[in-house]
Amino acid sequence: DAGITQSPRHKVTETGTPVTLRCHQTENHRYMYWYRQDPGHGLRLIHYSYGVKDTDKGEVSDGYSVSRSKTEDFLLTLESATSSQTSVYFCAISAPGLASQETQYFGPGTRLLVL
Amino acid sequence: AQSVTQLGSHVSVSEGALVLLRCNYSSSVPPYLFWYVQYPNQGLQLLLKYTSAATLVKGINGFEAEFKKSETSFHLTKPSAHMSDAAEYFCAVTQTSGSARQLTFGSGTQLTVLP
Repeated sequence: DAGITQSPRHKVTETGTPVTLRCHQTENHRYMYWYRQDPGHGLRLIHYSYGVKDTDKGEVSDGYSVSRSKTEDFLLTLESATSSQTSVYFCAISAPGLASQETQYFGPGTRLLVL
Repeated sequence: AQSVTQLGSHVSVSEGALVLLRCNYSSSVPPYLFWYVQYPNQGLQLLLKYTSAATLVKGINGFEAEFKKSETSFHLTKPSAHMSDAAEYFCAVTQTSGSARQLTFGSGTQLTVLP
């Protein structure tokens, strides 16, 4: 298994509170991604990082921010959590290369409930 | 933009029967296609990927998928289902957008294996 951990694994929070999820990798991969998984939608990309301090928005970035100060850590922050952000959040990593060679590997997920 | 459609959000098969999970894609460029499997309360695990080297791709756990350009399909099959195959399966296509290659996922197919 790829060396990816996510913390916390489960979190319950209240509407309006800030929440930070952490993704940590031991593979020294350049690319890191945050997805959310919701029934009927598969996984949707929130933000991604292509290097330290280099990030960009994905399909569903509204209400989320990210930071990457070290290669191994990618943080996802919900500045003011809403009930619509209740979801399972997955981190993924990949190493750059030919399109035929790149594969994303996923962490175990964080289950977030916003009350 | 690329997209993926998985036909059938739920599929049930008997143990020992053929498994067929359908995936169709749309892409303006030659696609790279993936199948991932997700067991309950776990992250996504790569089953197999198509990278244009061969149209029939063999993956782990006895699964394989055939790329058919004329049908824009990448269906996943397994000759004989096992109880341990019960999981959710996701088809995905990669695209280059911004500064990294991104995965676009289908909405998933839940496979149930009946004894």
